[in-house]
Amino acid sequence: DAGVIQSPRHEVTEMGQEVTLRCKPISGHDYLFWYRQTMMRGLELLIYFNNNVPIDDSGMPEDRFSAKMPNASFSTLKIQPSEPRDSAVYFCASSLNSGGAGDTQYFGPGTRLTVL
Amino acid sequence: GQNIDQPTEMTATEGAIVQINCTYQTSGFNGLFWYQQHAGEAPTFLSYNVLDGLEEKGRFSSFLSRSKGYSYLLLKELQMKDSASYLCAVFTGGGNKLTFGTGTQLKVEL
Repeated sequence: DAGVIQSPRHEVTEMGQEVTLRCKPISGHDYLFWYRQTMMRGLELLIYFNNNVPIDDSGMPEDRFSAKMPNASFSTLKIQPSEPRDSAVYFCASSLNSGGAGDTQYFGPGTRLTVL
Repeated sequence: GQNIDQPTEMTATEGAIVQINCTYQTSGFNGLFWYQQHAGEAPTFLSYNVLDGLEEKGRFSSFLSRSKGYSYLLLKELQMKDSASYLCAVFTGGGNKLTFGTGTQLKVEL
């Protein structure tokens, strides 16, 4: 399996622009997670989906952030408008729903976002 | 709320043994994971504990005490490539929600 795929790997944009991050989970995984990682706050869960349905979006920082999962093989995280404080590495992860160690989350390579 | 504590940094010598501790206070507990993250890369799965005791996997072992809210990751025969950040993460509540500690940056020296 190719693992979790994310694009783009790097994104540099200017404040106020819209940013869209993309993720393809591992085939057959029922759960998809979006995380943000910064030096100050570590790895934070933003939102996660089960069978394409958003389950918990309590980590989404504000209304500028939105996430969708239109089908089992694709998800997007959108920031509009972007701000410099959104600069971080954004990871997508996926997992099965078989319980115990089967719930291991597998991470994509991440998107390094820089907002100028 | 959730609180997970790990030391920020550790340094050890190649060939030695190092223990990275993690303490947690969470509402609900369904297991604890350790992940390794090299600089500029994604976290990768190392180990999972849900019952008290030691889980061994090659040079890496992980221990859990649920009553004490405590875990450690033990790395033996350290190699330079083990220099990385080690993240403790607790599985809580319903669903598949992981809460991560801020990570321990391990530096292996000659």
